[in-house]
Amino acid sequence: DTGVSQNPRHKITKRGQNVTFRCDPISEHNRLYWYRQTLGQGPEFLTYFQNEAQLEKSRLLSDRFSAERPKGSFSTLEIQRTEQGDSAMYLCASSHTREAEAFFGQGTRLTVV
Amino acid sequence: GQNIDQPTEMTATEGAIVQINCTYQTSGFNGLFWYQQHAGEAPTFLSYNVLDGLEEKGRFSSFLSRSKGYSYLLLKELQMKDSASYLCAVPNNAGNMLTFGGGTRLMVKP
Repeated sequence: DTGVSQNPRHKITKRGQNVTFRCDPISEHNRLYWYRQTLGQGPEFLTYFQNEAQLEKSRLLSDRFSAERPKGSFSTLEIQRTEQGDSAMYLCASSHTREAEAFFGQGTRLTVV
Repeated sequence: GQNIDQPTEMTATEGAIVQINCTYQTSGFNGLFWYQQHAGEAPTFLSYNVLDGLEEKGRFSSFLSRSKGYSYLLLKELQMKDSASYLCAVPNNAGNMLTFGGGTRLMVKP
């Protein structure tokens, strides 16, 4: 296993377009997290899945954002009608248990122009 | 709610020792994590403290005082490659999210 994988690594989109990002966690990890990070800041929590169930959502996750993990393996994060303020690095992480450290992917850098 | 404070930037000299502080306020305590993040890369795990005291791991050590809501990361024998952001983070009571501080950007100079 090569760790948490995210695709694409970079995405440039026009304002108003929809974008979708994919995350493949470490295979035996049933806990999956999405975070957003802007330059010079720490990651901000967006949402959490345990297997296929979405158990926690941040207030940052507006109705333009939706995340899925249909089979409890990979996850997708979709942003509809993108805005310039959505420009950020979107990080995915996975962990084995609640006490274990989270392993982060390299992130998808979104630029909305 | 949860709140974490850490200095924004620090500078240190190669070969020296540096201490990066983190203070936190949480409604319940479930441990504290330190992550390292090089520019443009993913955060990588450094340490996890749940009990008071110092945990040593090679050149890096992490200290926790639960009564003071305080932790620090100690980096010894600094190397140029240690130039990175260091993130302090605490989990919520359910353990299903981490709240991160803003990160401390460490610059190591020759």
